[in-house]
Amino acid sequence: SQTIHQWPATLVQPVGSPLSLECTVEGTSNPNLYWYRQAAGRGLQLLFYSVGIGQISSEVPQNLSASRPQDRQFILSSKKLLLSDSGFYLCAWWQGLGDTQYFGPGTRLTVL
Amino acid sequence: GESVGLHLPTLSVQEGDNSIINCAYSNSASDYFIWYKQESGKGPQFIIDIRSNMDKRQGQRVTVLLNKTVKHLSLQIAATQPGDSAVYFCAENIGRRALTFGSGTRLQVQP
Repeated sequence: SQTIHQWPATLVQPVGSPLSLECTVEGTSNPNLYWYRQAAGRGLQLLFYSVGIGQISSEVPQNLSASRPQDRQFILSSKKLLLSDSGFYLCAWWQGLGDTQYFGPGTRLTVL
Repeated sequence: GESVGLHLPTLSVQEGDNSIINCAYSNSASDYFIWYKQESGKGPQFIIDIRSNMDKRQGQRVTVLLNKTVKHLSLQIAATQPGDSAVYFCAENIGRRALTFGSGTRLQVQP
């Protein structure tokens, strides 16, 4: 069966510090991978998606970036965090139309 | 489409009652829809899905209804239980590469 992992689970970082969040998927190959952000009490905002290694599409302009160095690994990064980057970051994978998009457990990021 | 900036509406029901959560979608070309449940501090979990060639699909205690004429999707939960308390999101397939999520509805079940 397929599983999706995210780490760390929680993170507290100062403004201006770098960020690296990791997402890995097991039990599937060549999935579409996604990064979402969710502010407290709000909906999901799609940040990036990737349909293959090295292929990244950005949905919103921001100081975050994403990379996909391996088929089942998706990384969210920032060189300098802003206060507004605080939120709940969710990774998801999807095999395509008709199959459900599955979410990881999330990383709660607090920028102070 | 996506309404990320809005605070979540809340639906409050009594335990044992049926719940109906509604969602409007904007793209008439959407052909696949999913309902997710998200508990506090956790990632969204799949509940039920439906393709656009159907207007109703049933699961265990849940039913999804799709009205393509008015671009409306609903989730019905029978005999709502305290464990059903969560935020519920609908999502639609646009562009075959990404889902677009609704803003979500918070369901509160009163004992």
